Amino acid sequence: QVQLVESGGGVVQPGRSLRLSCAASGFTFTSYGMHWVRHVPGKGLEWVALISHDGNSEWYADSVKGRFTISKDSPQNTLYLQMNSLRIEDTAVYYCAKKPTSVDAMFPADWGQGTLVTVSS
Amino acid sequence: DIVMTQSPDSLAVSLGGRATINCKSSQSVLHSSNYKNYLAWYQHKPGQPPKVLIYWASTRGSGVPDRFSGSGSGTDFTLTISRLQAEDVAVYYCHQYFTTPYTFGQGTNLEIK
Repeated sequence: QVQLVESGGGVVQPGRSLRLSCAASGFTFTSYGMHWVRHVPGKGLEWVALISHDGNSEWYADSVKGRFTISKDSPQNTLYLQMNSLRIEDTAVYYCAKKPTSVDAMFPADWGQGTLVTVSS
Repeated sequence: DIVMTQSPDSLAVSLGGRATINCKSSQSVLHSSNYKNYLAWYQHKPGQPPKVLIYWASTRGSGVPDRFSGSGSGTDFTLTISRLQAEDVAVYYCHQYFTTPYTFGQGTNLEIK
């Protein structure tokens, strides 16, 4: 079955960098687009980024464009989110998610359990 | 960017009752090539990842009870939860995947009255 396990969260100062990882298993990693979505404590869900199945195309939310980079390491079945110039408002639980298995659409369907990023001085 | 606006922000319904949540998009999410609405609904409980309930505006996700139903087209959508159960307490979000940047509504907090 599909399994997505995020790691790399923690406490970081404003302006610093952090890289999140998402280890994927139970499906053919190279066949699926992958998302990062975040949940700000006490607030709502925010879509962050999407990468195509082959890793050749990327899309970002306006709030992170130019600071965050999504990437895939297909041999390692791992999704990454490189977060630079972090801001206090980036504090959130970050989820990785894959597109649905048998639906020709790109919405986040299968989700990991999330990893908490806290940006604080 | 497409802005998704949900109403109400919070809702209290009696056990066994019906909950109705509305979602309005700032532009149509109906694709002219396949006449599908690129609209999904999610349920989010504390400490858990979100779960997709509905996609294509009205198609139930795998294993989702038929008490959950979605309707609407273009810019106006509704999630209806019938025969409300205690386990339905959660925050519900609409989500458009019509065009990037994808966006979510602000969420509707559903409680038991």
